[in-house]
Amino acid sequence: GQNIDQPTEMTATEGAIVQINCTYQTSGFNGLFWYQQHAGEAPTFLSYNVLDGLEEKGRFSSFLSRSKGYSYLLLKELQMKDSASYLCAVMDSNYQLIWGAGTKLIIKP
Amino acid sequence: GAVVSQHPSWVICKSGTSVKIECRSLDFQATTMFWYRQFPKQSLMLMATSNEGSKATYEQGVEKDKFLINHASLTLSTLTVTSAHPEDSSFYICSASAGTGDTGELFFGEGSRLTVL
Repeated sequence: GQNIDQPTEMTATEGAIVQINCTYQTSGFNGLFWYQQHAGEAPTFLSYNVLDGLEEKGRFSSFLSRSKGYSYLLLKELQMKDSASYLCAVMDSNYQLIWGAGTKLIIKP
Repeated sequence: GAVVSQHPSWVICKSGTSVKIECRSLDFQATTMFWYRQFPKQSLMLMATSNEGSKATYEQGVEKDKFLINHASLTLSTLTVTSAHPEDSSFYICSASAGTGDTGELFFGEGSRLTVL
Protein backbone atom coordinates (compact mmCIF):
# COMPACT_ATOMS: atom_id res chain seq x y z
CA GLY A 1 0.00 0.00 0.00
CA GLN A 2 0.91 3.63 -0.18
CA ASN A 3 1.53 5.70 2.89
CA ILE A 4 2.95 8.97 4.06
CA ASP A 5 4.23 9.31 7.62
CA GLN A 6 4.81 12.53 9.49
CA PRO A 7 4.65 13.39 13.18
CA THR A 8 1.23 14.28 14.51
CA GLU A 9 2.28 17.29 16.54
CA MET A 10 5.38 19.34 17.27
CA THR A 11 6.07 22.25 19.58
CA ALA A 12 8.72 24.92 19.08
CA THR A 13 9.67 28.31 20.45
CA GLU A 14 9.28 31.63 18.67
CA GLY A 15 12.53 32.57 16.93
CA ALA A 16 13.84 29.02 16.88
CA ILE A 17 14.22 26.47 14.07
CA VAL A 18 12.07 23.40 13.57
CA GLN A 19 12.32 20.46 11.18
CA ILE A 20 9.25 18.48 10.17
CA ASN A 21 10.05 15.07 8.70
CA CYS A 22 8.08 13.10 6.16
CA THR A 23 8.72 9.55 4.98
CA TYR A 24 6.84 7.95 2.15
CA GLN A 25 6.21 4.69 0.38
CA THR A 26 4.38 5.13 -2.90
CA SER A 27 3.96 3.42 -6.23
CA GLY A 28 6.19 5.68 -8.27
CA PHE A 29 7.25 9.21 -7.57
CA ASN A 30 6.52 12.43 -9.41
CA GLY A 31 7.35 14.96 -6.77
CA LEU A 32 6.75 15.85 -3.15
CA PHE A 33 4.77 18.84 -1.94
CA TRP A 34 4.61 20.68 1.35
CA TYR A 35 1.52 22.70 2.19
CA GLN A 36 0.65 24.91 5.15
CA GLN A 37 -2.88 24.86 6.47
CA HIS A 38 -4.24 27.18 9.14
CA ALA A 39 -7.28 25.97 11.01
CA GLY A 40 -10.45 26.38 8.99
CA GLU A 41 -8.64 27.45 5.86
CA ALA A 42 -7.57 25.75 2.65
CA PRO A 43 -3.95 24.63 2.31
CA THR A 44 -1.42 26.97 0.74
CA PHE A 45 1.52 25.77 -1.32
CA LEU A 46 4.96 25.96 0.29
CA SER A 47 7.32 23.86 -1.83
CA TYR A 48 7.74 21.23 -4.49
CA ASN A 49 10.74 18.85 -4.68
CA VAL A 50 11.30 16.36 -7.47
CA LEU A 51 15.11 16.13 -7.42
CA ASP A 52 17.29 15.27 -4.43
CA GLY A 53 18.61 18.13 -2.41
CA LEU A 54 17.61 21.25 -0.59
CA GLU A 55 15.29 23.94 -1.92
CA GLU A 56 15.40 27.20 -0.01
CA LYS A 57 12.64 29.78 -0.09
CA GLY A 58 13.00 32.50 2.48
CA ARG A 59 12.54 31.18 5.99
CA PHE A 60 11.34 27.83 4.68
CA SER A 61 13.50 25.10 3.14
CA SER A 62 12.56 21.65 1.90
CA PHE A 63 14.84 18.67 1.45
CA LEU A 64 14.32 15.48 -0.51
CA SER A 65 16.10 12.13 -0.66
CA ARG A 66 14.35 9.85 -3.14
CA SER A 67 16.55 6.85 -2.32
CA LYS A 68 15.49 7.09 1.32
CA GLY A 69 11.88 8.06 0.65
CA TYR A 70 12.42 10.99 2.97
CA SER A 71 11.79 14.70 3.03
CA TYR A 72 11.84 17.44 5.62
CA LEU A 73 10.52 20.95 5.88
CA LEU A 74 12.77 23.33 7.77
CA LEU A 75 11.31 26.49 9.26
CA LYS A 76 13.70 29.14 10.55
CA GLU A 77 13.14 32.22 12.72
CA LEU A 78 9.79 30.90 13.79
CA GLN A 79 6.94 33.36 14.15
CA MET A 80 3.66 32.92 15.97
CA LYS A 81 1.85 33.00 12.62
CA ASP A 82 3.70 29.82 11.65
CA SER A 83 1.43 27.91 14.01
CA ALA A 84 -0.46 25.70 11.57
CA SER A 85 -0.65 22.19 10.19
CA TYR A 86 1.98 21.23 7.66
CA LEU A 87 0.96 18.66 5.08
CA CYS A 88 3.33 16.44 3.12
CA ALA A 89 1.98 15.02 -0.14
CA VAL A 90 3.57 12.80 -2.76
CA MET A 91 2.48 12.53 -6.39
CA ASP A 92 2.62 8.89 -7.45
CA SER A 93 3.18 7.35 -10.87
CA ASN A 94 -0.48 7.98 -11.80
CA TYR A 95 -0.10 11.66 -10.88
CA GLN A 96 -2.36 11.12 -7.87
CA LEU A 97 -1.53 13.06 -4.75
CA ILE A 98 -1.11 10.92 -1.64
CA TRP A 99 -1.55 13.04 1.47
CA GLY A 100 0.02 12.69 4.88
CA ALA A 101 -2.17 13.32 7.91
CA GLY A 102 -0.37 16.56 8.62
CA THR A 103 1.83 17.81 11.47
CA LYS A 104 0.32 20.33 13.82
CA LEU A 105 3.02 22.85 14.72
CA ILE A 106 2.53 24.79 17.94
CA ILE A 107 4.69 27.88 18.44
CA LYS A 108 5.22 29.11 21.99
CA PRO A 109 6.43 32.59 22.91
CA GLY B 1 0.14 34.08 -8.91
CA ALA B 2 -2.62 31.80 -10.09
CA VAL B 3 -5.92 32.14 -8.26
CA VAL B 4 -8.63 29.63 -7.64
CA SER B 5 -11.93 30.93 -6.32
CA GLN B 6 -14.49 28.78 -4.57
CA HIS B 7 -18.07 29.73 -3.81
CA PRO B 8 -19.86 29.73 -1.47
CA SER B 9 -17.50 29.88 1.51
CA TRP B 10 -20.19 28.88 3.95
CA VAL B 11 -23.48 27.14 3.37
CA ILE B 12 -26.11 25.85 5.75
CA CYS B 13 -28.88 23.72 4.37
CA LYS B 14 -31.67 21.46 5.50
CA SER B 15 -31.35 17.70 5.30
CA GLY B 16 -32.56 16.38 1.96
CA THR B 17 -31.71 19.45 -0.08
CA SER B 18 -28.95 19.76 -2.69
CA VAL B 19 -26.03 22.15 -2.55
CA LYS B 20 -23.82 23.28 -5.41
CA ILE B 21 -20.24 24.45 -4.87
CA GLU B 22 -18.35 26.23 -7.64
CA CYS B 23 -14.61 26.20 -8.26
CA ARG B 24 -13.15 28.69 -10.74
CA SER B 25 -9.63 29.24 -11.97
CA LEU B 26 -9.55 33.00 -12.39
CA ASP B 27 -6.44 33.64 -14.42
CA PHE B 28 -5.49 30.32 -15.96
CA GLN B 29 -7.04 27.38 -17.70
CA ALA B 30 -7.27 24.19 -15.71
CA THR B 31 -7.96 21.02 -17.61
CA THR B 32 -7.94 19.11 -14.35
CA MET B 33 -9.42 20.09 -11.03
CA PHE B 34 -9.51 18.09 -7.83
CA TRP B 35 -12.18 17.95 -5.16
CA TYR B 36 -11.31 17.14 -1.54
CA ARG B 37 -13.20 16.75 1.68
CA GLN B 38 -11.79 17.37 5.10
CA PHE B 39 -13.45 16.39 8.36
CA PRO B 40 -12.38 18.14 11.55
CA LYS B 41 -8.88 17.27 12.69
CA GLN B 42 -8.37 14.96 9.73
CA SER B 43 -6.31 15.20 6.58
CA LEU B 44 -7.56 16.10 3.16
CA MET B 45 -9.28 13.26 1.38
CA LEU B 46 -9.42 13.27 -2.38
CA MET B 47 -12.96 12.70 -3.54
CA ALA B 48 -12.64 12.94 -7.29
CA THR B 49 -10.63 14.23 -10.19
CA SER B 50 -12.56 16.48 -12.54
CA ASN B 51 -11.52 16.59 -16.18
CA GLU B 52 -12.85 19.20 -18.57
CA GLY B 53 -15.28 17.74 -21.05
CA SER B 54 -15.37 14.25 -19.60
CA LYS B 55 -16.71 12.35 -16.62
CA ALA B 56 -15.05 12.75 -13.28
CA THR B 57 -12.96 10.00 -11.78
CA TYR B 58 -14.13 9.15 -8.28
CA GLU B 59 -12.04 7.70 -5.49
CA GLN B 60 -13.07 4.44 -3.92
CA GLY B 61 -15.89 4.84 -1.46
CA VAL B 62 -17.16 8.14 -2.88
CA GLU B 63 -20.69 7.90 -4.24
CA LYS B 64 -20.73 9.42 -7.71
CA ASP B 65 -24.52 9.73 -7.70
CA LYS B 66 -24.42 11.71 -4.49
CA PHE B 67 -21.50 13.95 -5.32
CA LEU B 68 -22.11 15.17 -8.85
CA ILE B 69 -19.17 16.82 -10.54
CA ASN B 70 -19.39 18.85 -13.70
CA HIS B 71 -16.39 20.39 -15.43
CA ALA B 72 -18.03 22.18 -18.29
CA SER B 73 -15.27 24.61 -19.13
CA LEU B 74 -11.56 25.10 -18.60
CA THR B 75 -12.19 27.52 -15.78
CA LEU B 76 -15.15 26.07 -13.91
CA SER B 77 -15.90 22.86 -12.07
CA THR B 78 -18.91 22.33 -9.83
CA LEU B 79 -19.59 19.85 -7.05
CA THR B 80 -23.23 19.20 -6.19
CA VAL B 81 -24.01 17.39 -2.97
CA THR B 82 -27.40 15.84 -3.64
CA SER B 83 -29.89 15.04 -0.89
CA ALA B 84 -27.44 16.23 1.72
CA HIS B 85 -27.51 14.71 5.20
CA PRO B 86 -25.83 15.78 8.44
CA GLU B 87 -22.99 13.33 7.89
CA ASP B 88 -22.12 15.24 4.70
CA SER B 89 -21.26 18.27 6.82
CA SER B 90 -17.61 18.93 6.07
CA PHE B 91 -15.07 21.29 4.57
CA TYR B 92 -14.95 20.87 0.79
CA ILE B 93 -11.90 22.16 -1.08
CA CYS B 94 -11.06 22.26 -4.76
CA SER B 95 -7.68 22.63 -6.40
CA ALA B 96 -6.40 23.14 -9.91
CA SER B 97 -3.04 22.83 -11.56
CA ALA B 98 -1.60 25.80 -13.41
CA GLY B 99 1.55 24.03 -14.49
CA THR B 100 2.34 22.09 -17.60
CA GLY B 101 1.51 18.43 -17.49
CA ASP B 102 0.47 17.03 -14.15
CA THR B 103 3.43 17.98 -12.03
CA GLY B 104 2.66 21.65 -11.74
CA GLU B 105 1.93 23.47 -8.56
CA LEU B 106 -1.56 23.00 -7.23
CA PHE B 107 -3.60 26.02 -6.25
CA PHE B 108 -6.42 25.62 -3.79
CA GLY B 109 -9.73 27.37 -3.51
CA GLU B 110 -10.70 28.97 -0.25
CA GLY B 111 -12.83 26.00 0.71
CA SER B 112 -16.54 25.68 1.35
CA ARG B 113 -17.85 24.76 4.77
CA LEU B 114 -21.09 22.82 4.49
CA THR B 115 -23.37 22.36 7.48
CA VAL B 116 -26.41 20.16 6.99
CA LEU B 117 -29.06 20.54 9.66
